[in-house]
Amino acid sequence: AIWMTQSPSLLSASTGDRVTISCRMSQGISSYLAWYQQKPGKAPELLIYAASTLQSGVPSRFSGSGSGTDFTLTISCLQSEDFATYYCQQYYSFPVTFGQGTRLEIK
Amino acid sequence: QVQLVESGGGVVQPGGSLRLSCAASGFTFSSYGMHWVRQAPGKGLEWVAFIRYDGSNKYYADSVKGRFTISRDNSKNTLYLQMNSLRAEDTAVYYCAKDSSSWYGPPEYYFDYWGQGTLVTVSS
Repeated sequence: AIWMTQSPSLLSASTGDRVTISCRMSQGISSYLAWYQQKPGKAPELLIYAASTLQSGVPSRFSGSGSGTDFTLTISCLQSEDFATYYCQQYYSFPVTFGQGTRLEIK
Repeated sequence: QVQLVESGGGVVQPGGSLRLSCAASGFTFSSYGMHWVRQAPGKGLEWVAFIRYDGSNKYYADSVKGRFTISRDNSKNTLYLQMNSLRAEDTAVYYCAKDSSSWYGPPEYYFDYWGQGTLVTVSS
């Protein structure tokens, strides 16, 4: 299985800040990476796929980058509704795996 | 709009069985692969199983292989997860999720729609 290291696990920030979340793979996965947002008590929602393609309806302040083993999710100007938990997911091979999650909290 | 509605969760004793269902609507169910993903209380996401659009291929996480069976009925637009020999560590919210790729496209195994989840508690 492909192991993923997502960091940080907890991120404190303020509205209007720019934040980045990192995801590192144990082996190269080309661009087979997705990012999800999950709010408490809700199902995850797809934000980005193919490492950098924004899902329809997702605000442009979200962006993704990277390929191979190192990937980044950036939120350029935090809004109140962005405080949530974020997960990366590799789909290069089965079993598909998720990062441990990053909880983004209000500073 | 795409809707996925899970049902069948509940409390079951260790060693027991449970069958989850996921009713799909708003898309051509028979054209898409489907997944089960679970989340233990306060923990992260764990992929559980995948079934191809026509049921011909199935994949499982090692943690459930030999105990869980994924299946589908395309005539009823419904996905299932039969869970046997349940353990305390299977306690989680179980989500069904639609695969992003249809039968005519290259395979992609990420999830563009999720259900609201159903809670399974394994406890004596």
